[in-house]
Amino acid sequence: EVQLVQSGAEVKKPGESLRISCTGSGYSFTNYWITWVRQMPGKGLEWMARIDPSDSYINYNPSFEGHVTVSVDKSVTTAYLQWNTLKASDTALYYCARQAIYCSSRSCYLDYWGQGTLVTVSS
Amino acid sequence: DIQMTQSPSFVSASVGDRVTITCRASQGISSWLAWYKQEPGKAPKLLVYDASTLQSGVPSRFSGSRSGTDFTLTISSLQPEDFATYFCQEVNTYPVLGFGGGTKVEIK
Repeated sequence: EVQLVQSGAEVKKPGESLRISCTGSGYSFTNYWITWVRQMPGKGLEWMARIDPSDSYINYNPSFEGHVTVSVDKSVTTAYLQWNTLKASDTALYYCARQAIYCSSRSCYLDYWGQGTLVTVSS
Repeated sequence: DIQMTQSPSFVSASVGDRVTITCRASQGISSWLAWYKQEPGKAPKLLVYDASTLQSGVPSRFSGSRSGTDFTLTISSLQPEDFATYFCQEVNTYPVLGFGGGTKVEIK
């Protein structure tokens, strides 16, 4: 069974750092991008970045580049989303999802999602 | 970047109603479009891909269509479990794959 399991909710203060994780299982981890998606409270979905676990090649949405860092450790089939300096505006639900690297039809889409990690940044 | 304009943002409907949601792409994306369903407190789920192909297990009351850069998700007869928020997403323009703003379907 394909699963993406994300780390638990976090409460942080502005200026602090944070790394959240997404662990994949039940499929060939290196054959799928891991994509990160932000959902601010009561808002829509925003595509942030994606990483190729086979070689750590990354695409960033320019709106997020420089503020977040995506990484992966394929030995433990886990991808990470990291902030060095959190802001209150980073308060959101963050999802990871997979998309096939060499895709056709259904696999070109985000076909499996993690359960989401709620990040709350407040002083 | 391609902009995905989704409408309406909110629909109030009754069980048995026909509901239509539209996404318009700012430029051509062929049929590289998906629809996702998000229930409250849950992660989105893939509902339709390639504009009109239902994901396995999705009821046949759902359908997707394309006319040029306009894409439509139709629920032919709304059921209680269909009350949720629906998002479109294009996967034609890498690397940023834009989502529509979402449509919340609520009980009238």
